[in-house]
Amino acid sequence: GAGVSQSPSNKVTEKGKDVELRCDPISGHTALYWYRQRLGQGLEFLIYFQGNSAPDKSGLPSDRFSAERTGESVSTLTIQRTQQEDSAVYLCASSLVVGGGYNEQFFGPGTRLTVL
Amino acid sequence: AQSVTQLDSQVPVFEEAPVELRCNYSSSVSVYLFWYVQYPNQGLQLLLKYLSGSTLVKGINGFEAEFNKSQTSFHLRKPSVHISDTAEYFCAVKLTGGGNKLTFGTGTQLKVEL
Repeated sequence: GAGVSQSPSNKVTEKGKDVELRCDPISGHTALYWYRQRLGQGLEFLIYFQGNSAPDKSGLPSDRFSAERTGESVSTLTIQRTQQEDSAVYLCASSLVVGGGYNEQFFGPGTRLTVL
Repeated sequence: AQSVTQLDSQVPVFEEAPVELRCNYSSSVSVYLFWYVQYPNQGLQLLLKYLSGSTLVKGINGFEAEFNKSQTSFHLRKPSVHISDTAEYFCAVKLTGGGNKLTFGTGTQLKVEL
């Protein structure tokens, strides 16, 4: 079956503009995650959705960042008033949630965001 | 809070030579441990994981890693690398007791040369 897909693959925007990044998880995966990968740094957790539970937003770096997910489908990450430090690869992952413990996260190819 | 340290940002190695990529973690509670690989212009792919049991875990493409609790390490090894192993490798941890987010290290770029 299809893996996690993300669009666009590349986005160049001007400082101050808003951007929307999209993630299509693997069908049937109830959990969805957003991470950010800045140049020379590891992945930073941004936000986690699980079913109808309130999302874990603990990783969002500022109130300019927000994300939505409709049911168990598509998610959009929105960055308002982009800044140059927002330039990064934004990765989405999805997983099943089967009991406690470990649920493998499957990653999409990412969206490379460049803020000029 | 947990953290992951990958001290080597780049590791150059000749083809068919052995390689070890180092990973150390810090956590006050037990964790699961992972290695992910990211090939150029691709998403992350799970290489191997340690959840419990044998401390030596084997993954795809001939890689293996050993969990050392006393040294809080989870180093990745391969006895003989191939040019196709050139990629970025990330070590990650996840709390065993709940929570689903992964905490990643900063990555190690493995460059295999002829």
